[in-house]
Amino acid sequence: GQSLEQPSEVTAVEGAIVQINCTYQTSGFYGLSWYQQHDGGAPTFLSYNALDGLEETGRFSSFLSRSDSYGYLLLQELQMKDSASYFCAVGSASKIIFGSGTRLSIRP
Amino acid sequence: DSGVTQTPKHLITATGQRVTLRCSPRSGDLSVYWYQQSLDQGLQFLIQYYNGEERAKGNILERFSAQQFPDLHSELNLSSLELGDSALYFCASSASGANTGELFFGEGSRLTVL
Repeated sequence: GQSLEQPSEVTAVEGAIVQINCTYQTSGFYGLSWYQQHDGGAPTFLSYNALDGLEETGRFSSFLSRSDSYGYLLLQELQMKDSASYFCAVGSASKIIFGSGTRLSIRP
Repeated sequence: DSGVTQTPKHLITATGQRVTLRCSPRSGDLSVYWYQQSLDQGLQFLIQYYNGEERAKGNILERFSAQQFPDLHSELNLSSLELGDSALYFCASSASGANTGELFFGEGSRLTVL
């Protein structure tokens, strides 16, 4: 079957760096995506990795290792507005499934 | 604004009833995905349509059904509702059905079953 694992909660300090890990099991892997969801809101797309390596978009970066079935989202210069849930998602030949989400809490 | 429209935004109904949730994808997007999100849970994949045809099925109950119409809008029908069906139902669209890249999500339909 398909599954994703990510930590349920992470806490960090404003201005710091935080890394959210995601491991997955799937067949026919296409790519790994990351989404941000604020309470009561819709998920919004952050990044997509189809190939190994690091993709950088402003303060956010995402990494993928296909051989390890592993990826992470790196958030730098954390701001209070980054407090949200972050979901990794795997696209495969059959579907796109999401992890259970990581709730990121940021302290001043 | 993602360009994906979902109606209704909120819906309160009783057990045993039937409801229909509607989704209009972004202009030009052919693929529609439906996800269910229960309180503080992840997004559970229900079903995907591409250009009017069912493309993939997830953990969708037999009491639930969906379709995509020729104008590409989609409807999710939930029947014989139970308390546990209370959740946020999201529709997402993408240009292709290839399961790659970005999904654009609507604001969701919050269903409360009493």
